[in-house]
Amino acid sequence: QVQLVESGGGVVQPGGSLRLSCAASGFTFSNSPMHWVRQVPGKGLEWVAFIRYDGSSKFYADSVKGRFTVSRDNSKSMLYLQMSSLRVEDTALYYCAQERTDTRHLPFDPWGQGTLVTVSS
Amino acid sequence: DIQMTQSPSSLSASVGDRVTLTCRASQTISSYLNWYQQKPGKAPTLLIYGASTLHSGVPSRFSGSGSGTDFTLTISSLQPEDFATYYCQQSHSTPRTFGQGTKVEIK
Repeated sequence: QVQLVESGGGVVQPGGSLRLSCAASGFTFSNSPMHWVRQVPGKGLEWVAFIRYDGSSKFYADSVKGRFTVSRDNSKSMLYLQMSSLRVEDTALYYCAQERTDTRHLPFDPWGQGTLVTVSS
Repeated sequence: DIQMTQSPSSLSASVGDRVTLTCRASQTISSYLNWYQQKPGKAPTLLIYGASTLHSGVPSRFSGSGSGTDFTLTISSLQPEDFATYYCQQSHSTPRTFGQGTKVEIK
């Protein structure tokens, strides 16, 4: 079945770096645009980043632009989010999500279970 | 950026009630509106896409409508498993903004 599994979360000090990974299985990853979405515990969803199926186009939320970098390795069916210059306000549960391209409305489905990033001194 | 505003922020309802949630976009998004359900401790799951198309496996008591800037999600007869937080999201343009969510609680 289609599955996304995030990893790499943890506790990091302000100003530090962390790389999140998302392992995809059960679908043709190399054809799928992908997104990162985050959620502060108890709060709403915030879109973070997008990467085109071939990695040729990337977009970021203003809140992370210049600090986060999304990338992918289609040979390994892996999605990544390199986070640097981390701030306390980056503390959140980070989800990866597949963008469905079988409809022009491009919803996110499925989502991974999330990996928690805590930025604290 | 397109702002998405959901109302109410929360509501209390009983099993069997008809419930309507609202989502408004700050500019027209045609039918590029998706709804997600999130239960406590779980990842969001897709409910409806294109404003009104039910995702595979979603019960028919859920329905969506609207176009342009105003959208609704209706649950015709609330079931115990429907108590959750519901988010709308626009897919008209990037950034793919979400509403702040509507939490449906048990009365």
